[in-house]
Amino acid sequence: SQQGEEDPQALSIQEGENATMNCSYKTSINNLQWYRQNSGRGLVHLILIRSNEREKHSGRLRVTLDTSKKSSSLLITASRAADTASYFCATDARMSNNNDMRFGAGTRLTVKP
Amino acid sequence: DAGVTQSPTHLIKTRGQQVTLRCSPKSGHDTVSWYQQALGQGPQFIFQYYEEEERQRGNFPDRFSGHQFPNYSSELNVNALLLGDSALYLCASSLLRPTNYGYTFGSGTRLTVV
Repeated sequence: SQQGEEDPQALSIQEGENATMNCSYKTSINNLQWYRQNSGRGLVHLILIRSNEREKHSGRLRVTLDTSKKSSSLLITASRAADTASYFCATDARMSNNNDMRFGAGTRLTVKP
Repeated sequence: DAGVTQSPTHLIKTRGQQVTLRCSPKSGHDTVSWYQQALGQGPQFIFQYYEEEERQRGNFPDRFSGHQFPNYSSELNVNALLLGDSALYLCASSLLRPTNYGYTFGSGTRLTVV
């Protein structure tokens, strides 16, 4: 069963704009991860944020985590056409000691040149 | 450094047949997880293998089974194929305990059941 749900389902922006995607989840977690998938390909890991962290940066990516609201956001700044892809959040379950990740349905981002 | 390798890349099977998909994990990884991804959907967790044992299982019937070998490679077997089994099957490798690098995914096997 899916743990996370992304919002919006689809997002279309112009190159240079910022893109914000949100993820909500249901149960307590140890960590939350964001992945990117180009059409029909494997997923690529972007960033991991642990439950005791509130914000993390990697290049043009900024991820926030609010455990009280059980939500996370992924911000891509100064977007490029090459950022066009589907973005997924994945969470484990705090009760699980394993690296056992469950994915949401994803946000489909289109960046127009 | 090879990442995760999956084979075959594409496969067409008939309803009722059986299929075996293969996965070689990234060097240094000891855990393999399998996911099913239908078109336009997120990956659905099938199961995870560590030390040649199934450690976690998602909500999939017993027709889905797997195996992990001593070299950490893994197979996913699906029996009595249904049309609804048509999907992209993704293998992900990792260490059992999460690191900042997350999962490494293969490019997947596209299974079509006709």
